[in-house]
Amino acid sequence: EIVLTQSPGTLSLSPGERATLSCRASQSVSNNFLAWYQQNPGQAPRLLIYGASSRATGVPERFSGSGSGTDFTLTITRLEPEDFAVYYCQQYGTSRDYTFGQGTKLEIK
Amino acid sequence: QVQLVQSGAEVEKPGASVKVSCKASGYTFTSYYMNWVRQAPGQGLEWLGIIDPSGGGTSYAQKLQGRVTMTRDTSTSTVYVELTRLRSEDTAVYFCARQGLAADYWGQGTLVTVSS
Repeated sequence: EIVLTQSPGTLSLSPGERATLSCRASQSVSNNFLAWYQQNPGQAPRLLIYGASSRATGVPERFSGSGSGTDFTLTITRLEPEDFAVYYCQQYGTSRDYTFGQGTKLEIK
Repeated sequence: QVQLVQSGAEVEKPGASVKVSCKASGYTFTSYYMNWVRQAPGQGLEWLGIIDPSGGGTSYAQKLQGRVTMTRDTSTSTVYVELTRLRSEDTAVYFCARQGLAADYWGQGTLVTVSS
């Protein structure tokens, strides 16, 4: 099983700032099949990024994904109030064992 | 538009079983695999497994092997997850999520509470 470790656990920033979230895999993610999701309290997760760097339909351009192999990053430029949420990475490249990271909470400073 | 509508909340006793449904609409049901994911109160997301609605093939998370079963009914475009021998740690919101480019569409979630 691939273990995904997200850092930091909590990130405190102000609107307008830049956020950088990390996701590290215990082994290489096949085909860079790495996704990022945003979740607000009481809601289902929302797909932001798939294939490590492709934005899902309707996702603002301020969200971008990068990385390959074992190290991946979600960057949010110029934070908006609605961006403060919990973010999860997930790998879906290995034998249908689609593990999630433990999440990063992005909170208003 | 793609919609995944799940069944309502359930309360079960330890040792019992629960079956949650997810009815799909707005796309060709047999063309996309379906995930099941759960989230315990205040915790992160846990992937439970995946089913191919076309052939019925499944793959389950190792942690739940032997207790989880995923099935589908192509006549109603519905997938199901059943969890047996329930424990208090199974208390969670259970989500279905279509596997497109990744998990691109999600159901609204079903709260399963295990309590004596």
